[in-house]
Amino acid sequence: SAVISQKPSRDICQRGTSLTIQCQVDSQVTMMFWYRQQPGQSLTLIATANQGSEATYESGFVIDKFPISRPNLTFSTLTVSNMSPEDSSIYLCSVPASGANTDTQYFGPGTRLTVL
Amino acid sequence: EDQVTQSPEALRLQEGESSSLNCSYTVSGLRGLFWYRQDPGKGPEFLFTLYSAGEEKEKERLKATLTKKESFLHITAPKPEDSATYLCAVQKKGGSYIPTFGRGTSLIVHP
Repeated sequence: SAVISQKPSRDICQRGTSLTIQCQVDSQVTMMFWYRQQPGQSLTLIATANQGSEATYESGFVIDKFPISRPNLTFSTLTVSNMSPEDSSIYLCSVPASGANTDTQYFGPGTRLTVL
Repeated sequence: EDQVTQSPEALRLQEGESSSLNCSYTVSGLRGLFWYRQDPGKGPEFLFTLYSAGEEKEKERLKATLTKKESFLHITAPKPEDSATYLCAVQKKGGSYIPTFGRGTSLIVHP
């Protein structure tokens, strides 16, 4: 299984500012995913980050608001730009499982963001 | 549009009191249904994948079953350490490999 770490684990930010969340995996992976988990809501995919190419964003999410970097096969960042209180959420990165069961995912511990 | 509805939203049990969590889904061709467990302050942890109606999977006190419209996560004689949020997700055939998640069931098991 993959071990995933995220930084920061939590943060409180002022509206209008930006926060960059880091995701580190202990093995090389082609795809990394960024999710948002708002209170009482389901886990929602923001984008898929592939190394060496631009991230693919899901409907309702745009690059200007959530720019993503993927400089190598073990690391990615998600920036939440020009934040508003509606961006308060848990942000999670994940990677597909390897081996026989590639349908499942391993998740990081999440970054709890509060925007005032 | 794919939909996943989990019920109940929250469930409180006494230790040893068995129960079931429900995941109803609507998808145009199911590739797989997943159950995850999420502890507070942590990311979801994979439990089971079910691929076809009639399939069952077990792990310790947990047993997942699947029909053409829903899945159940049965918890037998739960312990306080089973307290967590349980997430269900479905993956569609032939489409994006990204699963659609339900909102989860928050389970609290009292000693």
